[in-house]
Amino acid sequence: EIVLTQSPGTLSLSPGERATLSCRASQSVSSSYLAWYQQKPGQAPRLLIYGASSRATGIPDRFSGSGSGTDFTLTISRLEPEDFAVYYCQQHGSSPPEYTFGQGTKLEIK
Amino acid sequence: QVQLQESGPGLVRPSQTLSLTCTVSGDSISSGTCYWSWIRQPAGMGLEWIGRIYTSGSTNYNPSLKSRVTISVDTSKNQFSLKLSSVTAADTAVYYCARVYGGRNDYWGQGTLVTVSS
Repeated sequence: EIVLTQSPGTLSLSPGERATLSCRASQSVSSSYLAWYQQKPGQAPRLLIYGASSRATGIPDRFSGSGSGTDFTLTISRLEPEDFAVYYCQQHGSSPPEYTFGQGTKLEIK
Repeated sequence: QVQLQESGPGLVRPSQTLSLTCTVSGDSISSGTCYWSWIRQPAGMGLEWIGRIYTSGSTNYNPSLKSRVTISVDTSKNQFSLKLSSVTAADTAVYYCARVYGGRNDYWGQGTLVTVSS
């Protein structure tokens, strides 16, 4: 089973600042199957990024994803008040089929 | 617009079977373009994939839950269902159903809280 480790656990920043969130895999992951989600309290997760770097429909361009192999990054270029939430990375392995999530990074207002 | 809606009992007794149904609208499970999954989240914790099903009825499960999980599909009702047997308090969580497209969960239900308690 591939384990995804996200860092930091909590990130304290101010609106307007740049946020960089990390997701590290215990073994190489196909970039095609690396996704990022945003979750606000009381809500279901929302898909932000798929294929490591493609934005989902309706996602603002201040969100970007990058990386390959075992190291992936979600960047929010200029934080808006509505961006403070918990972010999860997720990978899909095909042999055997599995979906694993990182433990999450909480992005909080400083 | 694709929408998913979970339904089922909010309270299950220990050792009993948890049963939930997900009703899909805006897409057809029979189309065969996607998988359909169940994911859960204990309060204050992260996300755990439970399993997925294809329109043919083919399933894949999380190995940690495989012995207790059954996911089935009813294409005539455009629904898929989850059964989790021998539940304990550790199975208390918000349960989500989701559409899986290209390895990503692109549409999610709102989630339903299931509490295991006597």
